[in-house]
Amino acid sequence: KQEVTQIPAALSVPEGENLVLNCSFTDSAIYNLQWFRQDPGKGLTSLLLIQSSQREQTSGRLNASLDKSSGRSTLYIAASQPGDSATYLCAVTTTDSWGKFQFGAGTQVVVTP
Amino acid sequence: DGGITQSPKYLFRKEGQNVTLSCEQNLNHDAMYWYRQDPGQGLRLIYYSQIVNDFQKGDIAEGYSVSREKKESFPLTVTSAQKNPTAFYLCASSILSALNTEAFFGQGTRLTVV
Repeated sequence: KQEVTQIPAALSVPEGENLVLNCSFTDSAIYNLQWFRQDPGKGLTSLLLIQSSQREQTSGRLNASLDKSSGRSTLYIAASQPGDSATYLCAVTTTDSWGKFQFGAGTQVVVTP
Repeated sequence: DGGITQSPKYLFRKEGQNVTLSCEQNLNHDAMYWYRQDPGQGLRLIYYSQIVNDFQKGDIAEGYSVSREKKESFPLTVTSAQKNPTAFYLCASSILSALNTEAFFGQGTRLTVV
C-alpha cells in the first residue's frame, strides 16, 4: 500500500526566507502528485499538480519538483510571506488506484514577520 | 462560480442519530470523494464514486453510506454504527482523464457528537 510522509510536521521561518517542504512516497508507480494548502478550519486549495511524466511544475513563487525513482517531491516557496502560513499537504495517485488520492499528514508552516 | 459546495458548515449529532452531509459540484466532474480529517492525521478516504449510480468503499467506510443519483451530488450519511464520528469531513471532485486527475475540494463540514 502506498505510504506518503511529510517531514517536518511543523516549520517556522522568518519572512523573506525560502520555504522547502518535503513529501516522500513508497510506491514509485505514481500517476500524479498534487500539492495543497489548507488554512485552519477550511478546505484544501490546489497549488500544483505534477504528472508522472513531468519533473517539475511552477506557479508564481511556487515550484514543485518530482523524482519518482527516489520517491520524493519538494515544494519550494520563494521569499515567504506571513500570508503563506498554512498547512501544506501532498497527495499521490498510483497507477493501480487511478483517481484515488493518498495523502500525507501535512507540514504546518508559520512565517513570522 | 464553479466549485464544490458542502453543507452545513457545522453539524451536531446526538448519540444513535444518523446525519447526512451534503456535497454538490458544478464542475461537471466525473469523480467525487469523501474524506475524513482528524487532528494531526492525513486525509483518509471514506467512499468514492467515478460514475453515477456506482460507488466504492475507501479505507474507512464502516459506519458510513453514500449515494450517487446525480452527477452533481454525492451525499454522505454518518450512521449510528460509526462510533467515533467527530471529525472534519471534506468532499472533493476530479476529472478522470488520462492526463489529469487534479482534485478540487469543498470547504468542509465539521461534525461533532453531543
